[in-house]
Amino acid sequence: GNSVTQMEGPVTLSEEAFLTINCTYTATGYPSLFWYVQYPGEGLQLLLKATKADDKGSNKGFEATYRKETTSFHLEKGSVQVSDSAVYFCALIEKGAQKLVFGQGTRLTINP
Amino acid sequence: ETGVTQTPRHLVMGMTNKKSLKCEQHLGHNAMYWYKQSAKKPLELMFVYSLEERVENNSVPSRFSPECPNSSHLFLHLHTLQPEDSALYLCASSRSGTDYGYTFGSGTRLTVV
Repeated sequence: GNSVTQMEGPVTLSEEAFLTINCTYTATGYPSLFWYVQYPGEGLQLLLKATKADDKGSNKGFEATYRKETTSFHLEKGSVQVSDSAVYFCALIEKGAQKLVFGQGTRLTINP
Repeated sequence: ETGVTQTPRHLVMGMTNKKSLKCEQHLGHNAMYWYKQSAKKPLELMFVYSLEERVENNSVPSRFSPECPNSSHLFLHLHTLQPEDSALYLCASSRSGTDYGYTFGSGTRLTVV
């Protein structure tokens, strides 16, 4: 079946550091890939997405590139801020399918 | 505001109480979902409704009873819950057959005492 694996958290960085959160997936077809973010006390919000190989999703300074050859969709940001502290979820959905498959989430804490 | 509204935001209930969680979406979506999020556990998909019909029930105990009267509204009826049911309950909606992903509400923080 389909699955998503994220790097274990928690991740703690200093402000202005470079961020990478790894995400790899297993899928039978060619899924669409997503990153969701959950700020404290809130639900999940879509951060960015990519729908086909080599697509790059970007939003709020975050980027992720759909790499079919390595089945990866790593999240990156060049300079993190305290306000980026949240839990980040990688997810996939197969074309035409209904169910969004989530990774386990990675908690990110940014210290000033 | 995401377009998916959940009420109440917080709920404390006794183990013998009956309460309901409500979810409403104004996005024109035709599928709705209930998730449970417990501390230090992965997101758990509980129920899936597509075109107002339940299409998935992931071995959820019968003390949780979903209801989807129309494509804009989803309820989760709760009765005789246990303390381990305390969690954040998230509602989401989507448009079937697209790859836009889900839109989530802010959740209801449930505490069972």
